[in-house]
Amino acid sequence: DAGVIQSPRHEVTEMGQEVTLRCKPISGHDYLFWYRQTMMRGLELLIYFNNNVPIDDSGMPEDRFSAKMPNASFSTLKIQPSEPRDSAVYFCASSDQPGTESNYGYTFGSGTRLTVV
Amino acid sequence: GENVEQHPSTLSVQEGDSAVIKCTYSDSASNYFPWYKQELGKRPQLIIDIRSNVGEKKDQRIAVTLNKTAKHFSLHITETQPEDSAVYFCAASKGTSYGKLTFGQGTILTVHP
Repeated sequence: DAGVIQSPRHEVTEMGQEVTLRCKPISGHDYLFWYRQTMMRGLELLIYFNNNVPIDDSGMPEDRFSAKMPNASFSTLKIQPSEPRDSAVYFCASSDQPGTESNYGYTFGSGTRLTVV
Repeated sequence: GENVEQHPSTLSVQEGDSAVIKCTYSDSASNYFPWYKQELGKRPQLIIDIRSNVGEKKDQRIAVTLNKTAKHFSLHITETQPEDSAVYFCAASKGTSYGKLTFGQGTILTVHP
């Protein structure tokens, strides 16, 4: 398996533009997570899905952020309109069902470095 | 919600020395505690984890200890090497909200040759 795949790796956009980040989880993983990483706030959970259904979106900073998971192999995180303070590295991660000894922990994607100018 | 505090924020050691990073958590219902290593510009990677029914776990040069009563857990790295230099994150989660990890702020470990 190629692991969790995120695209793009880097994104530079102007303030006010829409940004869409993409994630392909590991095949068979039932949980998908979106994290944001900044120096000031560390790793913050934004939202997570179980079987394509959003379970907890309490970490989504505001209405400008939205996430979808239309099927088991694809998820998007959208920011509209983007602002400079959204600049961060956005990680997607996936994991097995509870109790699966092989991978109780997450597997992270390589991340998308977003810069909003 | 859960709150995880991690100390120290930076740690500098000489090659061959031991390094210890400590975390405390607030929610007594948390039962899973992983540690991640993140090298510069790369993804966090799981290096070791421990469940609440175990007090200690070891994997070669790294070990994790858990004190449920005090609600703290620690990462121990022995015989440190320059390639151990990275940011280390602890995390905690509850079985009822499986997979929802709360991360500590991270420790920048530098191992000097």
